[in-house]
Formats: sequence, structure tokens, C-alpha cells
Amino acid sequence: DAGVIQSPRHEVTEMGQEVTLRCKPISGHNSLFWYRQTMMRGLELLIYFNNNVPIDDSGMPEDRFSAKMPNASFSTLKIQPSEPRDSAVYFCASRLTGIRTETQYFGPGTRLLVL
Amino acid sequence: DAKTTQPPSMDCAEGRAANLPCNHSTISGNEYVYWYRQIHSQGPQYIIHGLKNNETNEMASLIITEDRKSSTLILPHATLRDTAVYYCIVRVIIQGAQKLVFGQGTRLTINP
Repeated sequence: DAGVIQSPRHEVTEMGQEVTLRCKPISGHNSLFWYRQTMMRGLELLIYFNNNVPIDDSGMPEDRFSAKMPNASFSTLKIQPSEPRDSAVYFCASRLTGIRTETQYFGPGTRLLVL
Repeated sequence: DAKTTQPPSMDCAEGRAANLPCNHSTISGNEYVYWYRQIHSQGPQYIIHGLKNNETNEMASLIITEDRKSSTLILPHATLRDTAVYYCIVRVIIQGAQKLVFGQGTRLTINP
């Protein structure tokens, strides 16, 4: 199993530009999570999907952030327009729901730097 | 919501057992305790989880006290590659959704 795949691994952009982060969950998993990690705030959950449907987006910082999951194999997190304070590592994780446990499997992350 | 408390940092000698404590005094009867770790620049990695009984897998052992208010993660023979931030997490339910909420964790340093 290739695990959770994220792209790009690194992104450097200028303030005001649109940024799109991509995630491919583990095959067969039906829940997907987007997290953001910074030194100041640690690891924060932004949004999660269950069976491609957004269940909780209360962690999405503001309207500049949006996430989609058009099918079970792909999700995007978009920031438009980007700001320097969006600089962080963004992780995607997936999980097989329907069981009592909450084991999530994380991707390698996308390191975003907004200048 | 159950909250966890961990020491911010710990040191352990290579080859010795690393024992990482976690307090979760407000844990509910049906909430699991999870342990993840994050090696520098990588995504968090699942280690182990448990409800009431002690658990062991190829990576670690988890000892949960009888009252379930605390637990200890044990790495039996720590290696330099075990240097990481270790997160103790109790599943929480926020707005009807089950989530894993990551705290600050314990930064474990394995010394040669």
C-alpha cells in the first residue's frame, strides 16, 4: 500500500496567489482529514469528510479556505487568496470508519510558504 | 471533552526502556486512548491504542491504569530513531463529530 499521497511536497508562492493542495487517501478508506501544523498552534484539524461528504469544517480558518472531495480517491484544499500567515505544513490523513477506533494514517505533508 | 496532560520533554538512553506518561482524568468510559508520534518533518504516525486492557504491538506497549485516568506508553528498547514528539490523545466528540485532538505532546530524545 502506498499510503496517503500528498502533492506538492513543497510550495512557495506569493501573497494573493491561489494555492491548491492535493491528497489521495489510502484505497478503501472512507474518511479523510485535512490538518494544519504550525509552531505556534500545533496540529489543528481543518475539515474532515466521511464518504466524500464534509462532516465538520469548523476548523477552517476563514472563507479563503475551501476543501472538496469529488470522489473517494481524491481531495483538494484550496487557499484563495493566500496570505503569509497561511504558511504551515498541511497534512492529509485517511481512516476506515465503521469501526469503533479512530486510527488515522497521515501523509507526508505539504510545506507551504507564502511570501 | 477529555483532555490529556503530558510532560513537554523527556530524555532516555539508547537501549533502555522509554516510559512516557499521560494523564487523562476526565476520560469517559467508552473513549479510547491513542498514541501517535511525529518524527521531525514527517506526518504523525499511529503507534497504539487501548480502552481498558493493556495492549502490546510490534512498536510499543500501552499500560492503562485501572481507573483509566492515566496511561503509559512503553518503548521497550529505545533507539535513536525513536526520537520524536509523542502525542497522547483521547477521542473527543465535538459538535457530534468524533475527532482526535492533538495537544503539544512530549518531545522524547534518545541519547546515544
